[in-house]
Order: sequence, then structure tokens, then C-alpha cells
Amino acid sequence: EVQLVESGGDLVQRGGSLRLSCAASGFTFDLYAMNWVRQHPGKGLEWVSAISGTGDSIYYADSVKGRFTISRDNSKSTLYLQMSSLTAEDTATYYCAKDLYFDTSGPSFEYWGQGALVTVSS
Amino acid sequence: DIQMTQSPTSLSASVGDRVTITCRASQSIDSYLNWYQQIPGKAPKLLIYAASSLQSGVPSRFSGSGSGTDFTLTISSLQPEDFGTYYCQQSSNTVGSIFGQGTRLEIK
Repeated sequence: EVQLVESGGDLVQRGGSLRLSCAASGFTFDLYAMNWVRQHPGKGLEWVSAISGTGDSIYYADSVKGRFTISRDNSKSTLYLQMSSLTAEDTATYYCAKDLYFDTSGPSFEYWGQGALVTVSS
Repeated sequence: DIQMTQSPTSLSASVGDRVTITCRASQSIDSYLNWYQQIPGKAPKLLIYAASSLQSGVPSRFSGSGSGTDFTLTISSLQPEDFGTYYCQQSSNTVGSIFGQGTRLEIK
């Protein structure tokens, strides 16, 4: 059974930093791209970032480019999202999502974690 | 940038009804289109990928069709557990807003 468990969500001050983690199990982690998707309170879904199975290909939404860094540790089956220069607009639930494919410039989200809430206070 | 537009924004239907949700892309995305269901308080769930392929474990009452710019998600016979918000998502590239704005489905 595929499981994705996010951690690291917290209340952080504007301008601060935070790192989210996503522990994966139930599949061969390095064979699939991984993604972060966020959802602002009461709003729709927004794709944030994607990383290929090897970590060689990385993509970001314009809204987070230059502030967020996605990475993965295949030896630990763990995905990360390092977030910096946070603003109130980054307040959201952040989902880790397994891709359908190894590497794609257009993600498809096969399995999702339960989400981690990030709140940025002003 | 590719923009995704869903219609309707919300709808209310009865158990047993046939329900159709439409998604339109601002430019051709071939068949790079996925559909998700999100129940309040839960993570989204993949229903349909590549426009018409049913994800494993998803009931056969769900189906998808379309290519190019116009796509449809159909629920052939609505069940009580089908409430929630449905999103289309283009998987052609990562430029722009890849998700539609969502369609909220209420069971009468």
C-alpha cells in the first residue's frame, strides 16, 4: 500500500523559513517523480514543484521560484520542500504527491499524502 | 500559459442521475488531462488520467473523454459518496495554472 506522510508544517513568521518532509513507502521511490501541491484555505489546488526520480529534473511554479527548493533522498525514500522568504500568500495545506511517471515536465498525481498545514503570520 | 476552465462551478444532482462536468484548455493539450475528486477535509484522489483511462480502484461509473481542448468527466449513475469537488488538471507542462478552478458537486 502506498503511503505518503508529510511532516514539518508549522506556524512561521513572515520572512521565515520552513522545511517540509514527506516519507514514502509502499513503492520503489526512485522510480517515480514526486510533487508538492498546495491548497490555500477554502481554495483550489495549486501545483508547487516537481522532481524526477533521480532528482536531475526539477520544476517550480512561478509563484515559488527562487524561494522554494525541492529535493529528495532516495536512500531514505523521503521528499523535501525547503521554503524561505515566506509570505502570507504561502499559507496553505501542502500535499506531497507521487507521480504516475518517472520523469515528466507535466505532472500527474497518482497518490497524495494527508497534507501539512503551513501558516505564515504577519 | 495554458489556462484550464471548468463548468459548471457547482451543481446539485440526485442519486442515480447522470452528471457531466466539462473542462476546457486554452490551447491544445492532446490527451494530457487528469481528473480528481476531493472530499472536504481529505486529499484529492485521482479518478481519470490521460483523458480517458480509469485509475485502478475507481468505480466504472466514472468515465472521461475528449482530446485537444475539450474534455468531459461523466458519472453515469450518481452515488451518495460522489459528493465533493472535482478538478481537472493538464499534464502537458508546468507553465501557468495546471488545475481547473474546481466543480463542487452536491447530492440533493
